[in-house]
Amino acid sequence: QVTLRESGPVLVKPTETLTLTCTVSGFSLSNARMGVSWIRQPPGKALEWLAHIFSNDEKSYSTSLKSRLTISKDTSKSQVVLIMTNMDPVDTATYYCARIGLGMAFNIWGQGTMVTVSS
Amino acid sequence: QSALTQPPSASGSPGQSVTISCTGTSSDVGGYNYVSWYQQHPGKAPKLMIYEVSKRPSGVPDRFSGSKSGNTASLTVSGLQAEDEADYYCSSYAGSNTFRLFGGGTKLTVL
Repeated sequence: QVTLRESGPVLVKPTETLTLTCTVSGFSLSNARMGVSWIRQPPGKALEWLAHIFSNDEKSYSTSLKSRLTISKDTSKSQVVLIMTNMDPVDTATYYCARIGLGMAFNIWGQGTMVTVSS
Repeated sequence: QSALTQPPSASGSPGQSVTISCTGTSSDVGGYNYVSWYQQHPGKAPKLMIYEVSKRPSGVPDRFSGSKSGNTASLTVSGLQAEDEADYYCSSYAGSNTFRLFGGGTKLTVL
């Protein structure tokens, strides 16, 4: 069974750096054509794609957030890590990781982790 | 790049059909057949309902269908059921630089 599980801090202070981890099971991050994205959703608002990492380690970032984001993976640990710097209250959201599958669609999602940015 | 444009709300009575639109540009929706649709119930993670414009993953009822014309994709839900009440999001591949875009979401109400 393919699963993804997000983990990280529930609360961060403004200007701090957020580190989120997505632990996957049921597939390998080194599989061809597989990749994992991070997507966020502020309370009551729409989904926003943040970053993606492919099996060959190629990365892609949201144009508007590119300067603040770093995505990486540790295949041996089956983990994808997202680092977001200079956190602001507007970054308060549920953060999801999701796997790209058929037709470049996000076919498997984690349950999400809620991050609040507040002093 | 701006998000894809969806109507904020849609509604229909049980048994009826509802269509939700998703408008982009020739650089995303119109340029690739990688449009997907997601259903999200309150407090839950999104669920893939349609991929590659019109394909259904295993387990998704055939009441859900997708199509595309030019820069606008559409999701049609036929034979509306109470459990179809949810938020629906479209997404499109947008090239190697932008990669992915989401729509603003449509809240579907079953009257």
